[in-house]
Amino acid sequence: NAGVTQTPKFQVLKTGQSMTLQCAQDMNHEYMSWYRQDPGMGLRLIHYSVGAGITDQGEVPNGYNVSRSTTEDFPLRLLSAAPSQTSVYFCASSYRSGGFSGELFFGEGSRLTVL
Amino acid sequence: AQSVTQLDSHVSVSEGTPVLLRCNYSSSYSPSLFWYVQHPNKGLQLLLKYTSAATLVKGINGFEAEFKKSETSFHLTKPSAHMSDAAEYFCVVSDLNNNAGNMLTFGGGTRLMVKP
Repeated sequence: NAGVTQTPKFQVLKTGQSMTLQCAQDMNHEYMSWYRQDPGMGLRLIHYSVGAGITDQGEVPNGYNVSRSTTEDFPLRLLSAAPSQTSVYFCASSYRSGGFSGELFFGEGSRLTVL
Repeated sequence: AQSVTQLDSHVSVSEGTPVLLRCNYSSSYSPSLFWYVQHPNKGLQLLLKYTSAATLVKGINGFEAEFKKSETSFHLTKPSAHMSDAAEYFCVVSDLNNNAGNMLTFGGGTRLMVKP
């Protein structure tokens, strides 16, 4: 029972490089989201999706892009990495049918450093 | 608008003593409230949730929290700390009537340290 799987777990980039963080879930969840975690700031929502083909911006979307072509996958793209994007990124998913329960299922995180 | 404040960034207790992690929230509607736990190098896991039923909510691993509307608080407690409780804890407020998917607001987190 894999749950939510994120890759890579660690990545170092140079300023201006692009990359994609992968997220896959095997629970048939409609809702998927990306958060970033920075010390003392909790988790902040970057982008989210309520189903295949539907995405929307969260609190801190600038510099990131997402797509949702299947129910299972929700990749996060960094278009031109900046040092301010150094953070730990979490993918989370949830059921949504019948009402959002508030329980998110998280991956183990991807730690990104931008030099 | 909604917000959540965790009053202590770090809490240190001795094994076997009580745990109290404090959370205050602000909300313009009747909120739902959650506590999540994050062990080192892991994702977050739901500990417990309040959704307008009983004000005293029991969660996993002996934790519980009490919703106090008059004090706008949702403090997390445990009678006796265990070494395995050392982790970071997040208080979360939500409007579950908003089904748009962007309704969770996380507090800044409280790191719990347990001394032997």
